Amino acid sequence: QQQVKQSPQSLIVQKGGISIINCAYENTAFDYFPWYQQFPGKGPALLIAIRPDVSEKKEGRFTISFNKSAKQFSLHIMDSQPGDSATYFCAARGGGYQKVTFGTGTKLQVIP
Amino acid sequence: NAGVTQTPKFQVLKTGQSMTLQCAQDMNHEYMSWYRQDPGMGLRLIHYSVGAGITDQGEVPNGYNVSRSTTEDFPLRLLSAAPSQTSVYFCASSFQGAVTEAFFGQGTRLTVV
Repeated sequence: QQQVKQSPQSLIVQKGGISIINCAYENTAFDYFPWYQQFPGKGPALLIAIRPDVSEKKEGRFTISFNKSAKQFSLHIMDSQPGDSATYFCAARGGGYQKVTFGTGTKLQVIP
Repeated sequence: NAGVTQTPKFQVLKTGQSMTLQCAQDMNHEYMSWYRQDPGMGLRLIHYSVGAGITDQGEVPNGYNVSRSTTEDFPLRLLSAAPSQTSVYFCASSFQGAVTEAFFGQGTRLTVV
């Protein structure tokens, strides 16, 4: 059972454009929603995270939008750069003691 | 400060062989976990530990064993390797369980033939 659904699977964006990755969850017990960025040959690294009592969180060019009633959250990358090309994973904590459930990942390619 | 160190980085096993993937962290983190990453499947939790001497199963524990004798080390044992265990394995650690940032190792790419 996929508890966190992520889309799209891959995304190509032109330099300077906006990249948008969406995630949806089912378990209302989830209480923490991090996004991880993974470059080829590396482990994932925390990019930004949000709690469900906040509707939006912004860090530089990266913004998480959170819709608790719809059980959806999304990552927006403004002014996308080639260096942002990576795989992005949304995740959710909860539904069991200290467990984090990951989405299936989105491979982002930013072309010049 | 090395963070999370995984060894080996690459491994090829024959079906039925056993092996141990090593994971060590030097950040004094209580929480450690093992994930496997497969195309189109994301990261799936295999086992996790909330402290020395305490381990529990994740989403896909079958075929794997873990132990946590020290805070620093969390090895993952494959008992009898199967081709279905071909994957990239990541170890992660965090200070206060899954609440805080998880630091991942570089991964071990395992192929079972």
